[in-house]
Amino acid sequence: GENVEQHPSTLSVQEGDSAVIKCTYSDSASNYFPWYKQELGKGPQLIIDIRSNVGEKKDQRIAVTLNKTAKHFSLHITETQPEDSAVYFCAASTDSGGYQKVTFGTGTKLQVIP
Amino acid sequence: DTGVSQDPRHKITKRGQNVTFRCDPISEHNRLYWYRQTLGQGPEFLTYFQNEAQLEKSRLLSDRFSAERPKGSFSTLEIQRTEQGDSAMYLCASSPWDVGSEAFFGQGTRLTVV
Repeated sequence: GENVEQHPSTLSVQEGDSAVIKCTYSDSASNYFPWYKQELGKGPQLIIDIRSNVGEKKDQRIAVTLNKTAKHFSLHITETQPEDSAVYFCAASTDSGGYQKVTFGTGTKLQVIP
Repeated sequence: DTGVSQDPRHKITKRGQNVTFRCDPISEHNRLYWYRQTLGQGPEFLTYFQNEAQLEKSRLLSDRFSAERPKGSFSTLEIQRTEQGDSAMYLCASSPWDVGSEAFFGQGTRLTVV
C-alpha cells in the first residue's frame, strides 16, 4: 500500500517568515495530493491540493510543488501569521479511489512566533 | 451550521464497555467515511459508505467495530468491549458523489478508555 512520510514533525518560524513542509510517497500510481490543516480540537480542513498533471499550484500565501519523478511534494507558506499555527498533514491518493484511498502523513506542528 | 456534525465530542469509558458514536454528514453527500486518529499521527481510514451501502472496510476495523448508515443519511460507529488501545479521535467525513471531490471532516469524537 501507499506510504507517506512527512518532515519535519515540528517547525517554528518567526511571523512573516516562510515555512516549508516536505512529503514523500511510495506508490507511483498516486496522482492526487491534498494538504490539510488541523487546528486544536477540530477536524482536518483541506487547504490546497494538487493533481499529478501539474507541477505547482498557488493560492494566495500557500503553494504546493510536486515532483513525480522523485515522488515528493512540498507545501510552502509565505508571510506566515500566528493564525497559521496548526498541524499540517500531507496526503496521497489515486484520484479514482475516493477518500478511502487517501493515505495521510504523520503531520507537522507549525508554530508561528509573533 | 451545515458542516459534518459528530456526537459526542468526548467520551470516557471503562475498558470492556460498549460505545456508540454518531455522524451527521453534510446534507446530500452520498459518501461517508470514518477515520481513526491517534496522537501524533494522521487519520487512518476505517470504513466507507456510499449511500447506505458499506463498500469498504480497513483491516484496522476489527470484529469489535461495526458501522451502519441505515437510511443513507447519518451513520453510527459502535465499538464493543472497548480496549485501551481504542483510545483515539474518531473522525467522520463526507463528500459528494463525484470521485475526487473534497471530503469535509467533522470535529471528531475523542474516546478515552480507562
